[in-house]
Amino acid sequence: EAQVTQNPRYLITVTGKKLTVTCSQNMNHEYMSWYRQDPGLGLRQIYYSMNVEVTDKGDVPEGYKVSRKEKRNFPLILESPSPNQTSLYFCASSLSRLHTEAFFGQGTRLTVV
Amino acid sequence: GQQVMQIPQYQHVQEGEDFTTYCNSSTTLSNIQWYKQRPGGHPVFLIQLVKSGEVKKQKRLTFQFGEAKKNSSLHITATQTTDVGTYFCAGRDSGAGSYQLTFGKGTKLSVIP
Repeated sequence: EAQVTQNPRYLITVTGKKLTVTCSQNMNHEYMSWYRQDPGLGLRQIYYSMNVEVTDKGDVPEGYKVSRKEKRNFPLILESPSPNQTSLYFCASSLSRLHTEAFFGQGTRLTVV
Repeated sequence: GQQVMQIPQYQHVQEGEDFTTYCNSSTTLSNIQWYKQRPGGHPVFLIQLVKSGEVKKQKRLTFQFGEAKKNSSLHITATQTTDVGTYFCAGRDSGAGSYQLTFGKGTKLSVIP
């Protein structure tokens, strides 16, 4: 089954404790991205990757890092989480950078206390 | 940077009434996509429009892309309770080298039985 898998689905952590949210897709997609969703603000892009070892900042990259060492995986790293990073995070992938249909993961609800 | 504005933010309708959400971009778009997010779920792709003035239909849903490729609309005829959710538009700037997909803030649709 074609899918985008995120882990964990829920996470509560403390300020400053490094964490990684994993994202994996099994569709051989080139383009992957991370979004955060906050009430009233919609989906805002954090980072995106057009292919292996090619990443670029989205609209809200501060406080986040990503890597794309393999085509299928695109982890989101919070080196020192802060409470303002409490949010619902979605990973998405699409076939190419020309933006065919985007497939979204189930989401990760992160709370930083 | 590119901005995509979507109105209204919320819409409450009686079951059987029609519903329309509008999307406007600050820049010319190469394409526009529409997604639906059910409560507690993740965004799911509905459709992509590419051509100026394009109109596409999916059963009770009608999607339009403006002649100038800067605006779009989604119209639902005779809403049903299964239409409940948040509808997002997403567009990519037509400028060369632009690979970022920008989402509108979404329109949350409630349907009163």
